Amino acid sequence: GQNIDQPTEMTATEGAIVQINCTYQTSGFNGLFWYQQHAGEAPTFLSYNVLDGLEEKGRFSSFLSRSKGYSYLLLKELQMKDSASYLCAVRVDNYSGAGSYQLTFGKGTKLSVIP
Amino acid sequence: KAGVTQTPRYLIKTRGQQVTLSCSPISGHRSVSWYQQTPGQGLQFLFEYFSETQRNKGNFPGRFSGRQFSNSRSEMNVSTLELGDSALYLCASWLGPDPTGELFFGEGSRLTVL
Repeated sequence: GQNIDQPTEMTATEGAIVQINCTYQTSGFNGLFWYQQHAGEAPTFLSYNVLDGLEEKGRFSSFLSRSKGYSYLLLKELQMKDSASYLCAVRVDNYSGAGSYQLTFGKGTKLSVIP
Repeated sequence: KAGVTQTPRYLIKTRGQQVTLSCSPISGHRSVSWYQQTPGQGLQFLFEYFSETQRNKGNFPGRFSGRQFSNSRSEMNVSTLELGDSALYLCASWLGPDPTGELFFGEGSRLTVL
């Protein structure tokens, strides 16, 4: 099976930097997604990492280490609108069927940004 | 372009009833997946479809079923509803067949079972 762990809640100050960690144990790993979900809204895509290393996209960066089963999402210059849940999702390729796969999500990290 | 559309947005059912939820993917997207989101369990994978074929299914009982039509629209059905089925049901679409990029989620259908 798959096991994905991320902190349940985090609090950070406006303007600061916060790192949200995600660890996973799974077979058939083929990439890791980060999604942002504001309360009552649909999840929206932030990043997709397949190879080891850091990918930067504006104020958000995502890092992956496949050998360690570890990823983090780094948010810089925090803004109040960044208060949301951040979902880590692992893509697992299922070789029982041609092209079949699934995303397994962590339970999400609720980030609260305070003034 | 229009996003992923899910209907109905909210619905209330009683135990034992059945429900059908609909998902219209973004135009041109051929892959659709469904997830159940609850506060305690987070997002859990239900099914994944590509070109009318179910390619993968999560660990849910047989009461949960789905299908995809030739126009890529998808439906999921839950029969003999239980209180624990109360959740937000999310649909996501992408160009397919490989999710190497962004999955686009709909706003979800919030089901309450009384």
